[in-house]
Amino acid sequence: AQSVSQHNHHVILSEAASLELGCNYSYGGTVNLFWYVQYPGQHLQLLLKYFSGDPLVKGIKGFEAEFIKSKFSFNLRKPSVQWSDTAEYFCAGLSGGYNKLIFGAGTRLAVHP
Amino acid sequence: GAGVSQTPSNKVTEKGKYVELRCDPISGHTALYWYRQSLGQGPEFLIYFQGTGAADDSGLPNDRFFAVRPEGSVSTLKIQRTERGDSAVYLCASSPGQARADTQYFGPGTRLTVL
Repeated sequence: AQSVSQHNHHVILSEAASLELGCNYSYGGTVNLFWYVQYPGQHLQLLLKYFSGDPLVKGIKGFEAEFIKSKFSFNLRKPSVQWSDTAEYFCAGLSGGYNKLIFGAGTRLAVHP
Repeated sequence: GAGVSQTPSNKVTEKGKYVELRCDPISGHTALYWYRQSLGQGPEFLIYFQGTGAADDSGLPNDRFFAVRPEGSVSTLKIQRTERGDSAVYLCASSPGQARADTQYFGPGTRLTVL
């Protein structure tokens, strides 16, 4: 079955620390991957997406992710986090021939000033 | 412009009751999706509409769940004989079309609590 897994459920960082959130996918065929973010009290928003081409994808707010096919991974990174990055982050993959997203369980990030 | 809106934002009901959840997609978006997010989990796909028709309803958990989109815009998710296990946040998303590259834009969700 197609699945997306996120290893870290809770991450706590200090401001200016570097961030890497893990995401692995388990399905074959065409791979389309996303990172969504949900800030406190807000709805899910797209951070970045990978469809094809350059495996290093840059998104909004200084986030980037690298698609590594050999590792079935799509980890999210940011070199220096801010308090405003406190949020829940979801990795997702697009399933098969239909446009349904398969989400990981999410990683709750808390950044302390 | 206006994003995806969902009403009500919160719904509390008793076990066995019928509920309707409404989604207003972004104007002009032809694709509409429903997801369900239980506590501590990521959203799970329920159903996908392209225009008025349900292109994929494979995520609906059982026949108590039904969704419609009669005019290709607003959609209603209907749950009959609610159970406590139906308690979750129900999310709606829309996208411009059916291309895989189209971004899905999410609404704020309806939090359903079944007592």
